[in-house]
Amino acid sequence: GQQLNQSPQSMFIQEGEDVSMNCTSSSIFNTWLWYKQDPGEGPVLLIALYKAGELTSNGRLTAQFGITRKDSFLNISASIPSDVGIYFCAAINQGGKLIFGQGTELSVKP
Amino acid sequence: EAGVTQFPSHSVIEKGQTVTLRCDPISGHDNLYWYRRVMGKEIKFLLHFVKESKQDESGMPNNRFLAERTGGTYSTLKVQPAELEDSGVYFCASSQGRNFYNSPLHFGNGTRLTVT
Repeated sequence: GQQLNQSPQSMFIQEGEDVSMNCTSSSIFNTWLWYKQDPGEGPVLLIALYKAGELTSNGRLTAQFGITRKDSFLNISASIPSDVGIYFCAAINQGGKLIFGQGTELSVKP
Repeated sequence: EAGVTQFPSHSVIEKGQTVTLRCDPISGHDNLYWYRRVMGKEIKFLLHFVKESKQDESGMPNNRFLAERTGGTYSTLKVQPAELEDSGVYFCASSQGRNFYNSPLHFGNGTRLTVT
C-alpha cells in the first residue's frame, strides 16, 4: 500500500538551532500536510500544501511541497523549548484518505 | 467550542479482556474517524463514520474490533478479546465535511491502550 517514509525518526537539538525533517514516498500526492502532536495531546494541523513546488510559512515553520509531488519538507527556525513534540507528515491519496508518516520526535534542550 | 473528547485517556488490561473506548466529536461534525498509532509507527486509519453510517471500515484490523456510532453523535470502539498487538494510542478525529482541503480534521487527545 501507499507509504510515507519520514526522517529522521528523532532529533535532539539545542534551543536556537534550526531543524529540518522530510517525508518521501514512491507515490504521487496532490496534497501534503504537516501535523504536530504535543505530549499528551492529539495531532494539530500546522501547514497544508496544495501545489507542487509550493513553499508555505507559519511563523517559524516553513514547509515545501516537492516538485516531483513525492516528497515534502518541514523546517523550523530558531527552535524553542515548546517546539518539543512529534511532527507527522501526511498526504491525501486519490481515494481521499489521509495517510501519515511515522513521525519525527523532536527534543529541544534549553 | 469543546474539542474532540476521548475517554479513557489510559487503559491497561490483560490479554483476553474487553475494552471500550469512547469518542465525543465536536458538536455538528458529521464525520468521525478512528485512527491508531502503534509505538514508533505511523498513525493508521481504522474507520470513518458519516453520521451513524460506516463509510469506510477498511482499516479495521480484524473482527475483534467493533465500532459503533448510534444516533450519529458519540462513537465507541470495542476490542474483544484484546491481544498484545492491540496496544497503542487510539485517536478519534472529527470534521464537518469530508473534504480535507476545506474541512480540517480535529483530533482528540487519544486513548493509550496497554494490553499485558
